[in-house]
Amino acid sequence: DIVMTQSPLSLSVTPGEPASISCRSSQSLFYSTGHNYLDWYLQKPGQSPQLLIYLGSHRASGVPDRFSGSGSGTDFTLKISRVEAEDVGVYYCMQALESQLTFGGGTKVEI
Amino acid sequence: QVQLVQSGAEVKRPGAAVKVSCKASGYIFTSYYIHWVRQAPGQGLEWMGIIKPSGGSTTYGQKLQGRVTMTCDTSTSTVYMELSSLTSEDTAVYYCARERPDYHAFDFWGQGTMLTVSS
Repeated sequence: DIVMTQSPLSLSVTPGEPASISCRSSQSLFYSTGHNYLDWYLQKPGQSPQLLIYLGSHRASGVPDRFSGSGSGTDFTLKISRVEAEDVGVYYCMQALESQLTFGGGTKVEI
Repeated sequence: QVQLVQSGAEVKRPGAAVKVSCKASGYIFTSYYIHWVRQAPGQGLEWMGIIKPSGGSTTYGQKLQGRVTMTCDTSTSTVYMELSSLTSEDTAVYYCARERPDYHAFDFWGQGTMLTVSS
């Protein structure tokens, strides 16, 4: 299985300031289609996860443009340009390249 | 609008089995895959498997192989996940999630079903 490693485990942020989360995979997630099969999810307290970013860098419908995804191969980053109070929760990366999907361990973002 | 509505919370004894349902609405049921993901208390997300409603084919997580069975009923647009030989380690919230094929990502999630395994 592809192992997904996120850092940091937790992040304390100030509203209006930027934040960045790293995700590394044990093998390349770049596919011949030209896409990286890496997604980002946010699980707000008490809620189901919600999709933020798909295929490495594409914002899902309704996701504010302060969220951006970047990276390729094995190294990926989720950036929040200006954190807002509603962004608290646990962020997960997930690889969708192999049939056995795997998630990162999560990064807890607190204000 | 797209909705995935799951069945209610369950309490089971060790060794028993549980069957959780996920009823889809608001889209063409057979056009999207459904995945199951679980989350133990205070822990991260664990992928359990996928079912493709158009033909019923499945792929399961290796850790659960042999204990999990996913089925679907296209007449009611419902997907089922059955987990057998339960232990306390299966205590978790179980989510169904729809995969959007062009995204290779889960664009809609169910509300979750809490399973407690306790003697």
